[in-house]
Amino acid sequence: DSGVTQTPKHLITATGQRVTLRCSPRSGDLSVYWYQQSLDQGLQFLIQYYNGEERAKGNILERFSAQQFPDLHSELNLSSLELGDSALYFCASSVGVVAQETQYFGPGTRLLVL
Amino acid sequence: EDQVTQSPEALRLQEGESSSLNCSYTVSGLRGLFWYRQDPGKGPEFLFTLYSAGEEKEKERLKATLTKKESFLHITAPKPEDSATYLCAVRGEDSNYQLIWGAGTKLIIKP
Repeated sequence: DSGVTQTPKHLITATGQRVTLRCSPRSGDLSVYWYQQSLDQGLQFLIQYYNGEERAKGNILERFSAQQFPDLHSELNLSSLELGDSALYFCASSVGVVAQETQYFGPGTRLLVL
Repeated sequence: EDQVTQSPEALRLQEGESSSLNCSYTVSGLRGLFWYRQDPGKGPEFLFTLYSAGEEKEKERLKATLTKKESFLHITAPKPEDSATYLCAVRGEDSNYQLIWGAGTKLIIKP
């Protein structure tokens, strides 16, 4: 158990809908990262937050957005969902933003768009 | 451009048959090379971080080594429970602190 929690574990929805994925980082960690992993694909970095502020953006679609709250939990919002958005979404956390830091991953949310 | 290549894509071994997985990287100013294990449908589990050429780390049947161009994950006398996808990632000084991920090696250990 990494200490990173994600809810829900599974999510089934329809095209065009909007969903929110939630992540709580390890105790003491200030950085949160979001990743997408499609079937048989590698991990795609979406976005990073540090202490409430957006730190870095990766391959995140304009239909997707995220935020980190004062209690450090983070939410990833996915809107106007398409079939291709079906994937595993992982949250990871680290202590801060030092380059050598290790990211610890949560168990993921499996999203299925029908 | 920072890049990570893992080989082989898949590896099937008999229980007890030792082998190595390779992670070749190109990065400006390596700040860390990370190994993770991922079981199907689960989140990546952290294994090792290596920072400089010549460094080695061990955990049970796994040993990770690092040179200036590549890292090896050596698996000694593997067991079926070692079956998983092993992911390698690097962070360089020009990567805006983000990890550059390899595609992974899927390891299958047959009893």
